[in-house]
Amino acid sequence: NAGVTQTPKFRVLKTGQSMTLLCAQDMNHEYMYWYRQDPGMGLRLIHYSVGEGTTAKGEVPDGYNVSRLKKQNFLLGLESAAPSQTSVYFCASSYGISGTPPYEQYFGPGTRLTVT
Amino acid sequence: AQTVTQSQPEMSVQEAETVTLSCTYDTSESDYYLFWYKQPPSRQMILVIRQEAYKQQNATENRFSVNFQKAAKSFSLKISDSQLGDAAMYFCAYRSVMTTDSWGKLQFGAGTQVVVTP
Repeated sequence: NAGVTQTPKFRVLKTGQSMTLLCAQDMNHEYMYWYRQDPGMGLRLIHYSVGEGTTAKGEVPDGYNVSRLKKQNFLLGLESAAPSQTSVYFCASSYGISGTPPYEQYFGPGTRLTVT
Repeated sequence: AQTVTQSQPEMSVQEAETVTLSCTYDTSESDYYLFWYKQPPSRQMILVIRQEAYKQQNATENRFSVNFQKAAKSFSLKISDSQLGDAAMYFCAYRSVMTTDSWGKLQFGAGTQVVVTP
């Protein structure tokens, strides 16, 4: 099992460029999440998904879009990158049965994104 | 909305000694989960320990234990017999059991950096 993987591990963008971060999990988890980590602030939820084809906004969704076309993949898109989006991005997934709370979240290794 | 506060930006401990990290949280819910995650320099988030609010018994995992004080909304982590490999950022996190609340979203504190000296 690879667990949760993230692509790429590092990326540098210029302001206004776009990119997509890919998260993949091989644990057949229903729930997937995107967080960002900034110094002194812990991790904050950007978007999440409770199943294939469904997504919802988290705490800091502005400037990001997501898609969950396949159960194992959760994509995070930046349409027009801004310096404020310089951060470390973490994907996480968890097992859950519809209608009941999910279990522990398993995290990917993170992607360090710098926007200049 | 729930908030999680970690008031210690950094804690230093000598090898083999014990260190306690503090965490307080604010919630109006009666049932929830609390977690401690470890983040070493590799950036990987590693679950250290979990506590269910309905359980009075404090959780323990090898050298890691918690002191859960529900009335005080306090959830401290004790690391016993500290090792060099314990050096990392430690995050306290809260999770609601309400299925309508972001389906398992974790609310994190700002983190405490643990430094272990030989």
